[in-house]
Amino acid sequence: QSALTQPASVSGSPGQSITISCTGTSSDVGSYNLVSWYQQHPGKAPKLMIYEVSKRPSGVSNRFSGSKSGNTASLTISGLQAEDEADYYCCSYAGSSTSHVVFGGGTKLTVL
Amino acid sequence: EVQLVETGGGLIQPGGSLRLSCAASGFTVSSNYMSWVRQAPGKGLEWVSVIYSGGSTYYADSVKGRFTISRDNSKNTLYLQMNSLRAEDTAVYYCAMEGGAGAFDYWGQGTLVTVSS
Repeated sequence: QSALTQPASVSGSPGQSITISCTGTSSDVGSYNLVSWYQQHPGKAPKLMIYEVSKRPSGVSNRFSGSKSGNTASLTISGLQAEDEADYYCCSYAGSSTSHVVFGGGTKLTVL
Repeated sequence: EVQLVETGGGLIQPGGSLRLSCAASGFTVSSNYMSWVRQAPGKGLEWVSVIYSGGSTYYADSVKGRFTISRDNSKNTLYLQMNSLRAEDTAVYYCAMEGGAGAFDYWGQGTLVTVSS
């Protein structure tokens, strides 16, 4: 199972919005509404930000939103803040008979 | 409060074996999907293995036949037995609980495994 494709880096200024794409295949992203997104600060464990494409866990800011079209999922962060600077990973369920889940390669978000 | 604490990492020679443990509190390991996810130094996340609540297990191709995931319900603990270790297995290993398929709600702090001679 190949990793999902994410841009290596994105950047934005405080207050702006950015979108991170996550491209998979018809076997993972395209087949299931089970895409999740994780935020990881240096030296820390990942934190769940979005699950089931667009749902936010309790406590996650509504500045974070998710969507999906075909084989591509997206994470949008609006009203960028300095603390949003981190690595972001997408993840998709890929079926229990295969590799269970597959992660994206990660995107480094820089807040300018 | 949900908590996951991994132990067992360390420096091991190529070809060696290591067993990682993940002690859980605040929930029941056997009632949830539990996974191991690893992260090589400076690299991205890689899913390693999962054990379903029903006991079925699955592995990434990169570790199939060498790693075994298991759990001890009496100790509410998840394990990862790693055999025939290779340099490319060097990584921080996280255990994680899935609230739903592919949604890792809770993560441990990670334990570093270094495979080197």
